[in-house]
Amino acid sequence: SQTIHQWPATLVQPVGSPLSLECTVEGTSNPNLYWYRQAAGRGLQLLFYSVGIGQISSEVPQNLSASRPQDRQFILSSKKLLLSDSGFYLCAWSPGNSGNTIYFGEGSWLTVV
Amino acid sequence: TQLLEQSPQFLSIQEGENLTVYCNSSSVFSSLQWYRQEPGEGPVLLVTVVTGGEVKKLKRLTFQFGDARKDSSLHITAAQPGDTGLYLCAGAPTGTASKLTFGTGTRLQVTL
Repeated sequence: SQTIHQWPATLVQPVGSPLSLECTVEGTSNPNLYWYRQAAGRGLQLLFYSVGIGQISSEVPQNLSASRPQDRQFILSSKKLLLSDSGFYLCAWSPGNSGNTIYFGEGSWLTVV
Repeated sequence: TQLLEQSPQFLSIQEGENLTVYCNSSSVFSSLQWYRQEPGEGPVLLVTVVTGGEVKKLKRLTFQFGDARKDSSLHITAAQPGDTGLYLCAGAPTGTASKLTFGTGTRLQVTL
């Protein structure tokens, strides 16, 4: 069966510090991968999605970037965090050939102080 | 503008009551999904509806996809405290595979 894992689960970082959130998927190949951000108790905003290694699409201009160095690894990064980057970040995957149903990781709480 | 609008945004009901949550759009979707999310966790898929007019049941939850595939509803019968959570609809408009869009969310609170 397929599994998705992201880490760290919680992170407290000072303004201006770098960020790296990692996500890996097991049990499937060539998945579509996603990073979402969620405001408190509300819907999800798509930040990045990837249909293959090195292929990243950005949905909104922001202080963040994403990379996919391996088929089942997706990384969310920032060189200098802003207070507004605080939030709940979710990694997700969907089957590469059908796409529309996606499965989420456990989420990562980021607090920028 | 929000592609998928959910209503109501918040709902507080007592155990045993029925409720319906709506997910509406002006776009046509090849499929729609419903998720439930507990605080501090990732959303969990409840159901996927694919065919216009389709009705799916999951115990006390009934999901319907509109005939024109532009809207969906979730009906809960005899709500229980365990139904409490954030309900999200999601879909990709036809021709935009891999770019799933989420609705605004409906926060449900079921009290004893």
